[in-house]
Amino acid sequence: EIVLTQSPGTLSLSPGDRATLSCRASQTVSSSYLAWYQQRPGQAPRLLIYGASNRATGIPDRFSGSGSGTDFTLTISRLEPEDFAVYYCQQYDTSPPKYIFGQGTKLDI
Amino acid sequence: QVHLQESGPGLVKPSETLSLTCSVSGDSLRNDYWSWVRQPPGKGLEWIGYIYHSGTTSYNPSLKSRLTLSIDMSNNQFSLRLTSVTSADTARYYCARLVRYDFDQWGQGILVAVSS
Repeated sequence: EIVLTQSPGTLSLSPGDRATLSCRASQTVSSSYLAWYQQRPGQAPRLLIYGASNRATGIPDRFSGSGSGTDFTLTISRLEPEDFAVYYCQQYDTSPPKYIFGQGTKLDI
Repeated sequence: QVHLQESGPGLVKPSETLSLTCSVSGDSLRNDYWSWVRQPPGKGLEWIGYIYHSGTTSYNPSLKSRLTLSIDMSNNQFSLRLTSVTSADTARYYCARLVRYDFDQWGQGILVAVSS
């Protein structure tokens, strides 16, 4: 069973900074199966990236995803105040079939 | 514009059954897979299961023995039924649309507490 480990647990930055969030899988996974979500306080998660590097509809281009194999990264190029939230990576595990989330990275001001 | 809305009781007694419904507008249930995800207070996200319009389901193995998902095409709704609940089932429950291998549309969520 795949385990997703996100790091760091908390990232403290300022508006205008560049943020780099990591998601590491316990075994090699398909890039097609890797997604990233943003969850602001009191809100539902919002899909940012699917297939490791594809921005979802309406997502600003300051958000980008990369990686393959076991290591994936979400980069926010220039932080806006509304970007301070919790970010989750998510993977589809084929054996047994299930959807798995990482534990989240909190992006703090 | 797709809209998902969860409904159901906000309080369930231990050992009883938790039942929730997700009403979908702006999309037909025939078009995609439909899923439930939950989030205990202050914690991360856990996938519960999905259902397809044919009735095909896939459940999280950790919940499979207690879980039933169903779909009502005539009302464009799908539902969750979780039996024998405990305090560990206290969470915000989200319904979501599953496309590709990710969840692209979410409801606002409903908080369900398990308590006597």
